[in-house]
Amino acid sequence: AQSVAQPEDQVNVAEGNPLTVKCTYSVSGNPYLFWYVQYPNRGLQFLLKYITGDNLVKGSYGFEAEFNKSQTSFHLKKPSALVSDSALYFCAVRDGSSNTGKLIFGQGTTLQVKP
Amino acid sequence: DVKVTQSSRYLVKRTGEKVFLECVQDMDHENMFWYRQDPGLGLRLIYFSYDVKMKEKGDIPEGYSVSREKKERFSLILESASTNQTSMYLCASSLPGLAGAETQYFGPGTRLLVL
Repeated sequence: AQSVAQPEDQVNVAEGNPLTVKCTYSVSGNPYLFWYVQYPNRGLQFLLKYITGDNLVKGSYGFEAEFNKSQTSFHLKKPSALVSDSALYFCAVRDGSSNTGKLIFGQGTTLQVKP
Repeated sequence: DVKVTQSSRYLVKRTGEKVFLECVQDMDHENMFWYRQDPGLGLRLIYFSYDVKMKEKGDIPEGYSVSREKKERFSLILESASTNQTSMYLCASSLPGLAGAETQYFGPGTRLLVL
C-alpha cells in the first residue's frame, strides 16, 4: 500500500539556520513526490515536486528537496530559515503506476522559526 | 495563475442539515478533488472527479456525495451533517498531464462546524 510518513510533528529552528523537514514514502511503482506548505487559515500552496531526473529539486521561496531512492526519502531543506517560513508542511506521493491522479499526504509537520 | 475558490470560508450547521460546499476553478482543469483536513491526520481524500459527471470515491466517502455538472464546478454534499464531519474541507484541481506529474492547486478551504 502507498503511504507517506512525516516523522516529526514539529520542527523548531532559529532564524538564519538551515532547516530540514523529513519525509519518507512507500509506493509500489516509481514515486512522484510533492511538497506543499499551508499558512494559517489558508489552503495548500505547491512548493516543489520530483518526477524524474536530478535528485535535488529546487522550488519556491528558496526551498529544495532531495530524493533518495535507497532510503525512500524526500526531505525538504532550506539553507537559511526565515521567520516567515513558519507554517505547516505536507509531503505527498503518487504511485507512478497509477493513473488516477490521486495523492497520498503525510500528516504534516509544523515548522516554527524563532527570531 | 490558477485560481480555485470555495463558496464559504466558515460555515456553522446543525446536525441533520443538508450541507453544500461549492468549489470553482478557472483554469479548465479536468481533475477536481475534495479533501478533509484534521489535525494529526493530514489530508484525506473524500471524492474526486476526472471529468464532467464522472466521479470516484476516495478513502473516506461515507456520509458524502458529490456533483459535477460543469467542468469548472465540483460540489461536495453532506446529506445529513453529523458532528464528526466538523473539519476543514479543501478543494483542489489539476490537469491530466504526464501521468503522475499533475500538480494539484488548492482553494482556501472551508471550515465547517456541525453543532
